[in-house]
Amino acid sequence: EAGVVQSPRYKIIEKKQPVAFWCNPISGHNTLYWYRQNLGQGPELLIRYENEEAVDDSQLPKDRFSAERLKGVDSTLKIQPAELGDSAVYLCASSPRGYNEQFFGPGTRLTVL
Amino acid sequence: GQNIDQPTEMTATEGAIVQINCTYQTSGFNGLFWYQQHAGEAPTFLSYNVLDGLEEKGRFSSFLSRSKGYSYLLLKELQMKDSASYLCAVRSRGDYKLSFGAGTTVTVRA
Repeated sequence: EAGVVQSPRYKIIEKKQPVAFWCNPISGHNTLYWYRQNLGQGPELLIRYENEEAVDDSQLPKDRFSAERLKGVDSTLKIQPAELGDSAVYLCASSPRGYNEQFFGPGTRLTVL
Repeated sequence: GQNIDQPTEMTATEGAIVQINCTYQTSGFNGLFWYQQHAGEAPTFLSYNVLDGLEEKGRFSSFLSRSKGYSYLLLKELQMKDSASYLCAVRSRGDYKLSFGAGTTVTVRA
């Protein structure tokens, strides 16, 4: 079974530019998470989806970040405009409804210059 | 909110045992998780505790004391491939939100 797929794996942009990350969760997983992981830190939740509904976006900086999961399957996370402090690894994870374990994708490493 | 504390680094010898402690403070507890993360890779699930006691899974065991807000991950018969960061995460009551500690980097030496 394929795992969580993310693209791109690496992205380098200049500040003030837009950037988008894509995630395809494991087939059949209703719940999808976006995390941000800074160097030397644990992942921090940005947003959680149940199917196409964002049920927890309290940690998403809404002035510049947006996310969507239109058909309840794959998801896109966007930053516009990017700032230097946005440099981090952006992880996507998924899980079946009510399941304890979250399955993480390989992440997108963003560098903002 | 959550306050999760774990040591930054630990070093051990191949074949030895290492215990990684995690203390937490939470307004509502609904489970504690341990994840392993190799450098540049995704976190992978190791264990889940929601009741007090020890959960054993091969060379890895995890312990929880809810009254003390304390958990540990025990790694036995260390192998070089166990060199990684180990993340303690606490789930909040009422939702499935995981709050992660900063991780403990374990280095296994020959």
